Amino acid sequence: RKEVEQDPGPFNVPEGATVAFNCTYSNSASQSFFWYRQDCRKEPKLLMSVYSSGNEDGRFTAQLNRASQYISLLIRDSKLSDSATYLCVVNNPTSGTYKYIFGTGTRLKVLA
Amino acid sequence: DAGVIQSPRHEVTEMGQEVTLRCKPISGHNSLFWYRQTMMRGLELLIYFNNNVPIDDSGMPEDRFSAKMPNASFSTLKIQPSEPRDSAVYFCASSRGQGASEQYFGPGTRLTVT
Repeated sequence: RKEVEQDPGPFNVPEGATVAFNCTYSNSASQSFFWYRQDCRKEPKLLMSVYSSGNEDGRFTAQLNRASQYISLLIRDSKLSDSATYLCVVNNPTSGTYKYIFGTGTRLKVLA
Repeated sequence: DAGVIQSPRHEVTEMGQEVTLRCKPISGHNSLFWYRQTMMRGLELLIYFNNNVPIDDSGMPEDRFSAKMPNASFSTLKIQPSEPRDSAVYFCASSRGQGASEQYFGPGTRLTVT
């Protein structure tokens, strides 16, 4: 089983739609969680950290479910500019330090 | 504020040549990461440094790859000799700590080995 798994998509949704992505992780000791966005031929950019209580930033809401070991990202009122690949990142403690594990990403296409 | 700076942005070289990629992390960040991204394998961590010391190099594919961080503001990733299968985008990222801190990525170096 991969340490971090995401549905690769693509998710094709119309403008204005609500879309949700899930990401599962295998290490119950994982410490911190993030969502990154990557546009084609660009670097990954931090979208938001994911906190235990859940957090919201404008149209974006992130949730963490430690019992079931998954994190989610909800995008409301999708815009064309939201089209990108969304990467889930988990930070695992290992040998006295930490290791960031990236998922392979979920592609989103918002259609006019 | 300047973000992570990488050079060159593009590199095309012939098999067998030495390639050196450079990175300047964000000032004040004490962790630096080198990643490689391909369509087939996604984003892979090659090595990371904390306070200029290599902490985990288990992702370095083989002895042809080496990385150094001589000071807090500069790191290099060297491939010698390069092979066509090394063709990828190489990203450098930095973070404020090695715990729960977010990472910030540079624009990447697109390497093509012919």
